[in-house]
Amino acid sequence: NAGVTQTPKFQVLKTGQSMTLQCAQDMNHEYMSWYRQDPGMGLRLIHYSVGAGITDQGEVPNGYNVSRSTTEDFPLRLLSAAPSQTSVYFCASSSPTGGKREQYFGPGTRLTVT
Amino acid sequence: GNSVTQMEGPVTLSEEAFLTINCTYTATGYPSLFWYVQYPGEGLQLLLKATKADDKGSNKGFEATYRKETTSFHLEKGSVQVSDSAVYFCALSDNLTYKYIFGTGTRLKVLA
Repeated sequence: NAGVTQTPKFQVLKTGQSMTLQCAQDMNHEYMSWYRQDPGMGLRLIHYSVGAGITDQGEVPNGYNVSRSTTEDFPLRLLSAAPSQTSVYFCASSSPTGGKREQYFGPGTRLTVT
Repeated sequence: GNSVTQMEGPVTLSEEAFLTINCTYTATGYPSLFWYVQYPGEGLQLLLKATKADDKGSNKGFEATYRKETTSFHLEKGSVQVSDSAVYFCALSDNLTYKYIFGTGTRLKVLA
């Protein structure tokens, strides 16, 4: 049982490049989320999904796309990276309908956009 | 909308000192409340939770009580250790969308 895994751990992009941050969980959780963590601002929700095929925007969705084709995977796409997207990104999963409201977090991806 | 406010850090304590990190929230209805801990270079881990008023969550010597009347969920520990040095986040999850709102985090440093 690996929990929530994220790849890559570190990434450097140039402005305008695109990339996908990968997130996978093996706990059969229906709920998955992406957050960004910036100094002094806590964690802010980017996008979330309540199940395969269903996604919705969070607090800071601009510049990011998501899809959820399977229960296990929830990739986050940056279409055209900007320096303002330099941050640490965390993926999390939970099973609120299964009585587990607590979120399980991945180890994070540290992204730098130059 | 929902919000979480927690005390700013950093908080610096000597080993065996008493810890309180304040957290207050604004929410409609009856959210679930959580404390998470983040050690350097890692993701967040659940420390404790409470799902209804007057519930007390506890784990590893940490405690927090869900106070509806004061909309608070303060984190306490009677005797901190150097290994407790980390960033602590208060969070709520509303009962309709299950979306989380996090506080800005409080860095705790415990000196030997």
